[in-house]
Amino acid sequence: QVQLQESGPGLVKPSQTLSLTCTVSGGSISSGSYYWSWIRQPAGKGLEWIGRIYTSGSTNYNPSLKSRVTISVDTSKNQFSLKLSSVTAADTAVYYCAREEGYSYATFDYWGQGTLVTVSS
Amino acid sequence: QSALTQPASVSGSPGQSITISCTGTSSDVGSYNLVSWYQQHPGKAPKLMIYEGSKRPSGVSNRFSGSKSGNTASLTISGLQAEDEADYYCCSYAGSSTFYVFGTGTKVTVL
Repeated sequence: QVQLQESGPGLVKPSQTLSLTCTVSGGSISSGSYYWSWIRQPAGKGLEWIGRIYTSGSTNYNPSLKSRVTISVDTSKNQFSLKLSSVTAADTAVYYCAREEGYSYATFDYWGQGTLVTVSS
Repeated sequence: QSALTQPASVSGSPGQSITISCTGTSSDVGSYNLVSWYQQHPGKAPKLMIYEGSKRPSGVSNRFSGSKSGNTASLTISGLQAEDEADYYCCSYAGSSTFYVFGTGTKVTVL
């Protein structure tokens, strides 16, 4: 059973860079044809896709966030990471990592429990 | 790219059927049969309920079904149960530039 777990600071100051890591267990991040995504949800609001990475390093980003987002993968640690620069209060949200079936677009079949990141001074 | 439009709330009595709509455009829902649906209970991560418009993952009740007509996708829950009370989100592929857009979300209440 695949499990995903987000980790990282829960509080980030405005203008700084938000950094999160997702650790995958129960299977190799490199096995199969899967993409690994980040999705966020502000309190009381809907879901927003941030971006995704394939284990080859190929990435796709939400155009509205593309200039500030970097997603990377470390296959040796079975982890992938998110960096979001120049954060503001609008970036305060629960951040989820998720696995996407590679042969089926928009099929996020496994999710982490989510981690709350608050942007505040 | 705007979020897909869903009704804010839908309610029904136990045993009834309800349908949640997800309206997009010809650039997303209308162009691809790549809509997924997620159930989210309070404080929990979303759970995949339907993918590729109408397919159910293993373990998801057959009370959940998906369909599409034009620019609108729909999720139907039949035989409504108390445990179905949750928020539901649709998600569509929107082409190689935008990639994915989620719906605004629908709160389902079991009366």
